[in-house]
Amino acid sequence: AQSVTQLDSQVPVFEEAPVELRCNYSSSVSVYLFWYVQYPNQGLQLLLKYLSGSTLVKGINGFEAEFNKSQTSFHLRKPSVHISDTAEYFCAVSEGSSASKIIFGSGTRLSIRP
Amino acid sequence: GAVVSQHPSRVICKSGTSVKIECRSLDFQATTMFWYRQFPKQSLMLMATSNEGSKATYEQGVEKDKFLINHASLTLSTLTVTSAHPEDSSFYICSATRRGRSSYNEQFFGPGTRLTVL
Repeated sequence: AQSVTQLDSQVPVFEEAPVELRCNYSSSVSVYLFWYVQYPNQGLQLLLKYLSGSTLVKGINGFEAEFNKSQTSFHLRKPSVHISDTAEYFCAVSEGSSASKIIFGSGTRLSIRP
Repeated sequence: GAVVSQHPSRVICKSGTSVKIECRSLDFQATTMFWYRQFPKQSLMLMATSNEGSKATYEQGVEKDKFLINHASLTLSTLTVTSAHPEDSSFYICSATRRGRSSYNEQFFGPGTRLTVL
């Protein structure tokens, strides 16, 4: 069975500082990996996804993530954060078949301090 | 493209009443729709998967008689919370996968519906 672990429930960061949100997964088969962002009282927006190919994935809003198969990780990074990045971030995994279920991590609240 | 809408965005109802939430794919045909619920400060939990024209598949622990799902067309799925109680208060989010694409079917999420049961 698949599972996703987000190690940090909250990450406070100063504006313009770099940030890394950690995500580890477990699965017995090949997976697709995702990062979603959720602003207050809104749905989910896809930041980026890893399907195959290059392990470094670039997404929207300056975010990127690196798939590390040996460490079963998919950490999200941004070199310089802005106040507008304050939100909840969810790592998610899906098995490599069509219309598969997505399993979400518990989420990491990123709060940016001026 | 690939926009998913939900209606209503917010609903308040009395305990014991039923509430229907609609999920629509606005600019594509959705082969599969998913329903999630999210409690405050928690992650999304999958409730059920619905395919057009067939019965929904519910996750373990989700009462199918309480959460009725109908996927009558390729653009519309509805979730009805029957005899709602305060513990059903939550944020309900739907998603849809697009028909006719490659082996990977991305899920597109709706904006969510906030249900408050008094």
